[in-house]
Amino acid sequence: NAGVTQTPKFQVLKTGQSMTLQCAQDMNHEYMSWYRQDPGMGLRLIHYSVGAGITDQGEVPNGYNVSRSTTEDFPLRLLSAAPSQTSVYFCASSTQTGVEQYFGPGTRLTVT
Amino acid sequence: AQSVTQPDIHITVSEGASLELRCNYSYGATPYLFWYVQSPGQGLQLLLKYFSGDTLVQGIKGFEAEFKRSQSSFNLRKPSVHWSDAAEYFCSGAGNNRKLIWGLGTSLAVNP
Repeated sequence: NAGVTQTPKFQVLKTGQSMTLQCAQDMNHEYMSWYRQDPGMGLRLIHYSVGAGITDQGEVPNGYNVSRSTTEDFPLRLLSAAPSQTSVYFCASSTQTGVEQYFGPGTRLTVT
Repeated sequence: AQSVTQPDIHITVSEGASLELRCNYSYGATPYLFWYVQSPGQGLQLLLKYFSGDTLVQGIKGFEAEFKRSQSSFNLRKPSVHWSDAAEYFCSGAGNNRKLIWGLGTSLAVNP
């Protein structure tokens, strides 16, 4: 049981490039979410999904896209990277919204 | 508005000393409350949770938290801190709408 996995661990992008952060969970959780973590700002919700085929925006969705074609996978796409998107990104899953979440190890992204 | 506040940004304690990290919440009804720990370079790990019932909750790694409705608090405690407890600690809560709200975190340093 791997829990929540994220790839890559580290990534450097140039401004304007696009990329996809991968997230997968093997716990059959319906709820998945993406956060970004920046110094002094805690965790901020980017997008979330309550089940396959259903996604919604969090508090900082601009510049990011998500889809949920399977229960297991919840990729996060950066459409055109900007330096303001330099951050650590965490994927999390849970059985439902509002309960304890299980976090992946994170992806540290630098945009130059 | 619903909120979760961690008043202390940074705390330093000596190894072997007791620890209390503060968390205050603002919810109309009894919320679901959580404490997570984040070791350097890692994802967040659930320490303990409170949904209802006994107001003193035991968690992993020797931590406990007490829900005090009269003080709108859910403080995390440990009787004797180990050097390995140095980490970032996050409090979070969810109200009737099941939306998770995160505190900004408390950074704990442990002096040998």
